[in-house]
Amino acid sequence: DAKTTQPPSMDCAEGRAANLPCNHSTISGNEYVYWYRQIHSQGPQYIIHGLKNNETNEMASLIITEDRKSSTLILPHATLRDTAVYYCIVRVAETSYDKVIFGPGTSLSVIP
Amino acid sequence: KAGVTQTPRYLIKTRGQQVTLSCSPISGHRSVSWYQQTPGQGLQFLFEYFSETQRNKGNFPGRFSGRQFSNSRSEMNVSTLELGDSALYLCASSLGIAKNIQYFGAGTRLSVL
Repeated sequence: DAKTTQPPSMDCAEGRAANLPCNHSTISGNEYVYWYRQIHSQGPQYIIHGLKNNETNEMASLIITEDRKSSTLILPHATLRDTAVYYCIVRVAETSYDKVIFGPGTSLSVIP
Repeated sequence: KAGVTQTPRYLIKTRGQQVTLSCSPISGHRSVSWYQQTPGQGLQFLFEYFSETQRNKGNFPGRFSGRQFSNSRSEMNVSTLELGDSALYLCASSLGIAKNIQYFGAGTRLSVL
């Protein structure tokens, strides 16, 4: 079973921030949170990952709660090209030897 | 730098046949993972190879097998194809050590008739 739970779908108005939540209440101390997205019929694309501090890159920001039991991926100014399925996964460590388990993800629709 | 390349992109086979899919990872990446994606089951982990050794395996029957070559290129094989094997097969490569970010290929769409 996936170690994370996400809402099945969300809508976001174009130009607004998209906030995608993820629950990982059983996360271990050495597990990282990774976010990927999959645009229809393409391979998943890495977005961002973090351990406990908030992270930001050119694509998104990742906010992890202090207890690390949940996180939020933020797309600051959503565009139509951000319409995709977003997956939140956890892995044991950066040098992980474990199986990568994807849940069903959140289908984000960006609306004009 | 070239991305992950999967060949072929599309494949049509009949039940009982076998199929081999190929994956060329990003240069310098030593880990290759394979996934099966279907509408009903989503993305499911098949197996991972690192330096020619299988490190992890998902819950798939023995008909699904793989291997990795010394240049890190990988192949997966499915024998005695069943209708339920119709899926998008995705390959992902990573360094396999620090910053273990996976980079996915576009996938091979397999249809079993």
